[in-house]
Amino acid sequence: GQNIDQPTEMTATEGAIVQINCTYQTSGFNGLFWYQQHAGEAPTFLSYNVLDGLEEKGRFSSFLSRSKGYSYLLLKELQMKDSASYLCAVTDSNYQLIWGAGTKLIIKP
Amino acid sequence: TAGITQAPTSQILAAGRSMTLRCTQDMRHNAMYWYRQDLGLGLRLIHYSNTAGTTGKGEVPDGYSVSRANTDDFPLTLASAVPSQTSVYFCASSDSIGAGELFFGEGSRLTVL
Repeated sequence: GQNIDQPTEMTATEGAIVQINCTYQTSGFNGLFWYQQHAGEAPTFLSYNVLDGLEEKGRFSSFLSRSKGYSYLLLKELQMKDSASYLCAVTDSNYQLIWGAGTKLIIKP
Repeated sequence: TAGITQAPTSQILAAGRSMTLRCTQDMRHNAMYWYRQDLGLGLRLIHYSNTAGTTGKGEVPDGYSVSRANTDDFPLTLASAVPSQTSVYFCASSDSIGAGELFFGEGSRLTVL
């Protein structure tokens, strides 16, 4: 079956750096997405990786290794507003999105 | 810009009753989706539509139906609601199936008693 694994919850300190990992086993691969979802709100797009390597966008970066079925989202200079759930999703060979359960990130002052 | 609008935002429904969740987008996206989100689980696809006039079943389609009469609207109907359909429902759209980011509506919280 298809599976995406990410930690259920992580805690980090304001101003620090945190890395949220995502491993996947899917039938084919056509890209990996990261979304941010604040409590009670809709998910919003953060990043997209289809080739191996690091994509940087401001304080957020996303890394992909297709051979390892692995990605991470790196958040730098953490702010309280970064407290949210972070969802990893992979597009499989049928172009269907497979979603992880999300990682709840708690930022402490 | 409105993006995607869902209605209602919240609803309590008696088991056995029918309900339609409305979804409208103004981005002229071809693809639209309905997901449900339950605590501890990832977003699960209920139904999708590649383009107006076509629909397809997702991972958890039982008990739900959709229609896509035009580009903008993609309503989700529960013909006879059951308590296991208590969830938060998100409508989303993208330029085409499997391509590009998804844009989500604000969600509809449905409680079936």
